[in-house]
Amino acid sequence: GQSLEQPSEVTAVEGAIVQINCTYQTSGFYGLSWYQQHDGGAPTFLSYNALDGLEETGRFSSFLSRSDSYGYLLLQELQMKDSASYFCAFHTGGFKTIFGAGTRLFVKA
Amino acid sequence: EAGVAQSPRYKIIEKRQSVAFWCNPISGHATLYWYQQILGQGPKLLIQFQNNGVVDDSQLPKDRFSAERLKGVDSTLKIQPAKLEDSAVYLCASSPPTSSMEQFFGPGTRLTVL
Repeated sequence: GQSLEQPSEVTAVEGAIVQINCTYQTSGFYGLSWYQQHDGGAPTFLSYNALDGLEETGRFSSFLSRSDSYGYLLLQELQMKDSASYFCAFHTGGFKTIFGAGTRLFVKA
Repeated sequence: EAGVAQSPRYKIIEKRQSVAFWCNPISGHATLYWYQQILGQGPKLLIQFQNNGVVDDSQLPKDRFSAERLKGVDSTLKIQPAKLEDSAVYLCASSPPTSSMEQFFGPGTRLTVL
């Protein structure tokens, strides 16, 4: 079958670093994406990993290990505005996209 | 560049009624997606178009849901008849021909079925 697992909630302090993990199970894996969604808003693209390793975009980094079917999103220098839901999503060879249930990040002052 | 447009933004209907949603993707984006997002869950792909052809509709409840993308540009999603469990946000997204990995989402239509 096809599935993704990510923690339902994470809480961190402003200025800290937080890591949101994602494990997946699928055949025909093509890559892993991360999206951010604020309450009442639309998902916005953060990053995409097709190959193993770390991709860095400003304060956000994303990591993928295809052999472990595992990835994570790393958020540095947390700000209050980072409080949102974060979704990992994998893509199959047919470009079908499957989203996880999301991780709700709470950033405290 | 204009983003993905969706209308209406909100819709309240009685069960067994029909409803239609409209989406206009970003100009030049070949791929168009319709997702259903139930509160507290991730988006669930309903149907994916490449130009005006269907790439994937395996999770579309075809007994009540239908979608079309005439002329490979804008698209409509219809529910007939609606059920209580159809209450959700319906998101439209599009992606350019060079990469189907980055999807640009519209603001969504929040549907409430009473």
